[in-house]
Amino acid sequence: GAGVSQTPSNKVTEKGKYVELRCDPISGHTALYWYRQSLGQGPEFLIYFQGTGAADDSGLPNDRFFAVRPEGSVSTLKIQRTERGDSAVYLCASSPGTHNEQFFGPGTRLTVL
Amino acid sequence: GQQLNQSPQSMFIQEGEDVSMNCTSSSIFNTWLWYKQDPGEGPVLLIALYKAGELTSNGRLTAQFGITRKDSFLNISASIPSDVGIYFCAGSYGGSQGNLIFGKGTKLSVKP
Repeated sequence: GAGVSQTPSNKVTEKGKYVELRCDPISGHTALYWYRQSLGQGPEFLIYFQGTGAADDSGLPNDRFFAVRPEGSVSTLKIQRTERGDSAVYLCASSPGTHNEQFFGPGTRLTVL
Repeated sequence: GQQLNQSPQSMFIQEGEDVSMNCTSSSIFNTWLWYKQDPGEGPVLLIALYKAGELTSNGRLTAQFGITRKDSFLNISASIPSDVGIYFCAGSYGGSQGNLIFGKGTKLSVKP
């Protein structure tokens, strides 16, 4: 079956602009996670959804970052007033919820000029 | 953010060699996972461990959940060229939910 998909695969924007990153989880997976990966590092947790609600948003670095999952499937990560330090690969993962096996998408590479 | 101590940072392999890497944490985890990431792609799940002392295999890969619940290791037997890539360990405090905490990765390369 289809895995986790993320769009766009690459996004280049200018400092101060607003961006939206989209994640389509594996069908039927109730849990959805966003991570951010900088060069040479492991992924770092941002936010986790169980269904439509954010169960844990403790990893969001500041209030410029926001994510939604209005129908409990697709999720959008929104970044306002982007800064150069936001440049990274943004990874989405989903899990069926019975065990914590998380399956990752290919990521969106965000570059803020 | 918090990260696990993963070692070695990098290693060179020759085809046919066995490879071993490990991960340690100052905290107790309920779940340990091992992932492999190729350039430009997302991490791919290799093995998941749920109980202290558990030893699990997936083909040529074997991983163990340390009995202290603060460490895990991954072994690759009889390595092949397609084993090159970056291997990440990840731990979770939550039994069935919750975010993963990742190590910095072990980069496997082929000996020149």
